[in-house]
Amino acid sequence: NAGVTQTPKFRVLKTGQSMTLLCAQDMNHEYMYWYRQDPGMGLRLIHYSVGEGTTAKGEVPDGYNVSRLKKQNFLLGLESAAPSQTSVYFCASSYSRTGTIDPQHFGDGTRLSIL
Amino acid sequence: GENVEQHPSTLSVQEGDSAVIKCTYSDSASNYFPWYKQELGKRPQLIIDIRSNVGEKKDQRIAVTLNKTAKHFSLHITETQPEDSAVYFCAASIGSGNTGKLIFGQGTTLQVKP
Repeated sequence: NAGVTQTPKFRVLKTGQSMTLLCAQDMNHEYMYWYRQDPGMGLRLIHYSVGEGTTAKGEVPDGYNVSRLKKQNFLLGLESAAPSQTSVYFCASSYSRTGTIDPQHFGDGTRLSIL
Repeated sequence: GENVEQHPSTLSVQEGDSAVIKCTYSDSASNYFPWYKQELGKRPQLIIDIRSNVGEKKDQRIAVTLNKTAKHFSLHITETQPEDSAVYFCAASIGSGNTGKLIFGQGTTLQVKP
């Protein structure tokens, strides 16, 4: 059981370039989330998905797009990278149960630098 | 919008002492409150959580208390050890819908001095 796997682990981009971060989970979780973590600001939710084929905006969605074509995968895209998007990106997933909230399980993160 | 305030931002204690981290939240519909520990360069890991129908929960040296009236919850670590040194994040669920969305506090860096 690998849990939540993120690729790549590190990446350096130039301003204006595009890229896709991949998150894969093998726990059959319905819910998946993308966060960014910046010093002193905790974890901020970018986008999330409550099931295959559905996505929704979080706190800081601008400049990012997501897709959930398969239940186990959640992709985060940067169409035109900006230096303000330099951050550590974490993916998380959780079960969905009616009437209760389950803990989120995190991946190891992707450290992204935009020059 | 909803927010979670976490204090203090840094905390230094001697080994064996207790540590307390406090959080307040704004969304009255919040009903799930997890705490995560993050070691340097690692992923956040859940250490304890509490739901709104419970006032206190303990797991060995860790305890969490919740005061729904005051919209306040706290993490208590007793008999601290050097391996407790890490960044701790509180979080609160957002809204009444079952999306599992969380809003996180800004984090507390705990240093336990041997």
